[in-house]
This record gives sequence, structure tokens and C-alpha cells, in this order.
Amino acid sequence: ETGVTQSPTHLIKTRGQQVTLRCSSQSGHNTVSWYQQALGQGPQFIFQYYREEENGRGNFPPRFSGLQFPNYSSELNVNALELDDSALYLCASSLVSSYNEQFFGPGTRLTVL
Amino acid sequence: QQQVKQSPQSLIVQKGGISIINCAYENTAFDYFPWYQQFPGKGPALLIAIRPDVSEKKEGRFTISFNKSAKQFSLHIMDSQPGDSATYFCAASKENNFNKFYFGSGTKLNVKP
Repeated sequence: ETGVTQSPTHLIKTRGQQVTLRCSSQSGHNTVSWYQQALGQGPQFIFQYYREEENGRGNFPPRFSGLQFPNYSSELNVNALELDDSALYLCASSLVSSYNEQFFGPGTRLTVL
Repeated sequence: QQQVKQSPQSLIVQKGGISIINCAYENTAFDYFPWYQQFPGKGPALLIAIRPDVSEKKEGRFTISFNKSAKQFSLHIMDSQPGDSATYFCAASKENNFNKFYFGSGTKLNVKP
């Protein structure tokens, strides 16, 4: 069984640029959630994808967008990067029928200069 | 408004001692309360979880105590070991809201040898 993987591990961008982060779900999982974890804080829910559609969104602006592909992998896109976007971005996958148990990837550390 | 409040922010315990971390929540619709353990450079890993139909759940050295009327739950780590040194997050979610988890701010645990 393959766990949740994310790429890249680290990324450095400048303010105003755009970034795409990628996530591969754990085998058999059809739901992907994305979280932003600022340094020293708990993860904050960005949005969730189920059956290739956004299925719930947290308090994040529209410049945060995502995609889920037929193989259940997912992308997080952030446009017009701001300094405050610097954080660890976590992807978590789950099987809807497993009643909320979700498994996190190692995250992508994004630094915006 | 922070949906889940966690304390303390940091905790130092001697090897063999009991570590206790507390969380309080606001939304009475929450019905799933997991605890996650996170090591530096890694994503959070599910440690133990509880639903509000029971007041306590034990798995090895880890116990969750749940007080529905007080809207509080806590993690107890018995016989704490240096390998338990990590950051611990409590979280809460609602069944019909899939996996939109609300996380606490985290407790950094340091177990002294």
C-alpha cells in the first residue's frame, strides 16, 4: 500500500508569482483535502476534492484553487503569491466510507520572498 | 473564531511521567475528535481518535478522555518516553462535513531522559 506523497518537498518563490503543488493519494482513497500550516500553528483547512469536484472550502481567497484527477491525485494552485503564503502545505487523503479517517503526506514547504 | 482551543502550548515531562494535553471545542455538531502526532519535517500522523458516544478510549500508552457536557477532551500519554517528543494536535470534525478538520494550535512535548 502506497502512502500519500507530495511534490516538491521545498519550493522558493517570489511575491506575485504562481505555484502548483502536487499530491498523490494513498491507494484506494478518493477524497483529497489540502491544508496550510503556518510555522508554529495547526493546519488550516483550504479545501477538499471528491470525485474531481470541490467539496467544501475553508476561509481562503479564490487565488487558492485546486484540481483532482481521475486517478484521485490532486493539485493545489496559488496565484499572486503573498509573503503570508509561506507555510507547509499538507495534503490528506481518505476514503469517504471510512468515516473521516484521513492520512497526511509529508507536505511541501513553500517560502515566498 | 477558533473552533478548537488547545493547551498548553509546550510541555516538558520527565521520562516515565504522564503527559496531559487539553482541548476545548465550540461546535456541538462535532462528532469526531482525533489526535495527531507530528515530528519535524513530517506530516501529522493519526494517533488515536474518539467519538462522543464514549467517555474514554485507550490504545496502549495513549488515552483520550472526553467530556461532552463540558465540550472538552484530553490526551494522556502514560509512561512518557523521549521518542514521544513531538508536536501534538487535537482536531474536530462533523460527520456530514466529510473531512474538514478544525485543528488546535498544537502542543510541543519534550520528554526529558
